[in-house]
Amino acid sequence: DAGVIQSPRHEVTEMGQEVTLRCKPISGHNSLFWYRQTMMRGLELLIYFNNNVPIDDSGMPEDRFSAKMPNASFSTLKIQPSEPRDSAVYFCASSRGTGGNEKLFFGSGTQLSVL
Amino acid sequence: AQKVTQAQTEISVVEKEDVTLDCVYETRDTTYYLFWYKQPPSGELVFLIRRNSFDEQNEISGRYSWNFQKSTSSFNFTITASQVVDSAVYFCALSTNAGKSTFGDGTTLTVKP
Repeated sequence: DAGVIQSPRHEVTEMGQEVTLRCKPISGHNSLFWYRQTMMRGLELLIYFNNNVPIDDSGMPEDRFSAKMPNASFSTLKIQPSEPRDSAVYFCASSRGTGGNEKLFFGSGTQLSVL
Repeated sequence: AQKVTQAQTEISVVEKEDVTLDCVYETRDTTYYLFWYKQPPSGELVFLIRRNSFDEQNEISGRYSWNFQKSTSSFNFTITASQVVDSAVYFCALSTNAGKSTFGDGTTLTVKP
């Protein structure tokens, strides 16, 4: 079975450009999470969805960040305009249920570099 | 508010040594769940174990064992007879029924041959 699929694996862009990260969760999973990993701040939860509905976006750093989940099999995280401090690894994860007892399945991550 | 503290930033051991990774958590919820994840050099986080707040039984899985103590709010992870393939970053995480997971900063384990 395919796991969580993220694209692209690597993204290099220039400051001010729009960046879109994509995620396909595991089929049948009801929750989707976006995390950001940096050396300074570790793993931060940006936003999560239950049944395609955003539940908590308090981790989104600022208005330049937005996330959507138009259907159960696809989500995007967009940064517009991007800044060098957005450079990080962005992980998407999904879980079967909507409760906190479910383990997370992570994608391989997108390494974002903003020059 | 939830908090997970992994005080050990980096640990280095020689192969076949036993090693314990510490995890201390804070939460006001009476129902919560604790996890350990492994992030090998390839980068993808992999689930290792989950415990709920009502089950303080320790667990052993091969060379891995976990010690959950509510009295000290700790959920420690021990690797017995470590191997080079155990080298990775290990994360402890806490979540509640609301579904939001909080991760510790991770412990980088290096096992030298």
